[in-house]
Amino acid sequence: AQSVTQLGSHVSVSEGALVLLRCNYSSSVPPYLFWYVQYPNQGLQLLLKYTSAATLVKGINGFEAEFKKSETSFHLTKPSAHMSDAAEYFCAVSGTGANSKLTFGKGITLSVRP
Amino acid sequence: NAGVMQNPRHLVRRRGQEARLRCSPMKGHSHVYWYRQLPEEGLKFMVYLQKENIIDESGMPKERFSAEFPKEGPSILRIQQVVRGDSAAYFCASSDPGTGAEQYFGPGTRLTVT
Repeated sequence: AQSVTQLGSHVSVSEGALVLLRCNYSSSVPPYLFWYVQYPNQGLQLLLKYTSAATLVKGINGFEAEFKKSETSFHLTKPSAHMSDAAEYFCAVSGTGANSKLTFGKGITLSVRP
Repeated sequence: NAGVMQNPRHLVRRRGQEARLRCSPMKGHSHVYWYRQLPEEGLKFMVYLQKENIIDESGMPKERFSAEFPKEGPSILRIQQVVRGDSAAYFCASSDPGTGAEQYFGPGTRLTVT
């Protein structure tokens, strides 16, 4: 079985500050890991993915995440927050083949203060 | 290149009626997933389909819900005899395992049961 834990439901940062959104996973097989962003009343947009290649993954809009197997973590970071980053962020894990469904964390709402 | 398309975007049904939600995957994608987003429960997997086959339906409620992905045409998620608890956002995602593990999401259908 696979699961994802996103601690906290809300993170607030100042514009220009570092963004750090935490994600820990549990998986009995080598996982695929993803971060998605959701803006109000919209679908999910893929930010980045880890699929057993480089452990530091760069995504869109300046986001990146580092896969740490020893810590079972896949935290999302961005050096400098922008007002347009305000949204809900979901970490997800999947397997492969018939087990390729996504299991999501509960999501974190990011607010950016001017 | 058109993305994942879902229709209708909003659907209102009275209790006891049927709801049909449609999903057209991205061009070239032959795998479709359905997820449901409830306000206090987050995003939950429902069913994974390939053309004419159900691969994983472990997240589907045992009664009233069914899904298909025919050889021709969109994937359909059907909810019979809707109840108020079915009110949610339903998202479809598609993937092409030959090119990557990521799933691309549609804008969702927001079902309201009155």
